[in-house]
Amino acid sequence: DSGVTQTPKHLITATGQRVTLRCSPRSGDLSVYWYQQSLDQGLQFLIQYYNGEERAKGNILERFSAQQFPDLHSELNLSSLELGDSALYFCASSVGGLASETQYFGPGTRLLVL
Amino acid sequence: TQLLEQSPQFLSIQEGENLTVYCNSSSVFSSLQWYRQEPGEGPVLLVTVVTGGEVKKLKRLTFQFGDARKDSSLHITAAQPGDTGLYLCAGTMEYGNKLVFGAGTILRVKS
Repeated sequence: DSGVTQTPKHLITATGQRVTLRCSPRSGDLSVYWYQQSLDQGLQFLIQYYNGEERAKGNILERFSAQQFPDLHSELNLSSLELGDSALYFCASSVGGLASETQYFGPGTRLLVL
Repeated sequence: TQLLEQSPQFLSIQEGENLTVYCNSSSVFSSLQWYRQEPGEGPVLLVTVVTGGEVKKLKRLTFQFGDARKDSSLHITAAQPGDTGLYLCAGTMEYGNKLVFGAGTILRVKS
């Protein structure tokens, strides 16, 4: 158990819909990272938040957005969903703001868009 | 095109055999990490290497960072069925704060 929690574990929705994925980092960790893992693209970095502020941005689509709240939990919002958005979405956390630090990954949310 | 190229993509071996997984790039990385991921779970960090030429050992696993910090390898001695999983290399470049992952190597160790 990494100490990072993600909800829900599974999500099935339809194209055009909007979903919210939630992540609670390990106690004491200030950074939250979001990743997307699919068969064709592998594990791709989406976005990082550090202590409530956006720190780094990766291959995140404009239809996707994230935020980190004062209690440090984070949410990833995916809107106007397409079939190709079906993937595993992982959240990771680390103590500081450097991506090279040890990142602890949650169990992931499996999203299926029908 | 992947910034980090991993090979082989898939490896199926018998228990007790040795194996090496490679992670190569044309870019320089300030640090390189290796993760192991099991089905239904998130990746778990095995090791971080930061110095060119660095070698780290973790029980039967040996990790090496290339002198030019463009490549890395993971060697497993006497593989066991419990080593089965997806092995991912990931790196942070000298300028930037993103972790870039390779496509991964699926390892299956048969008893």
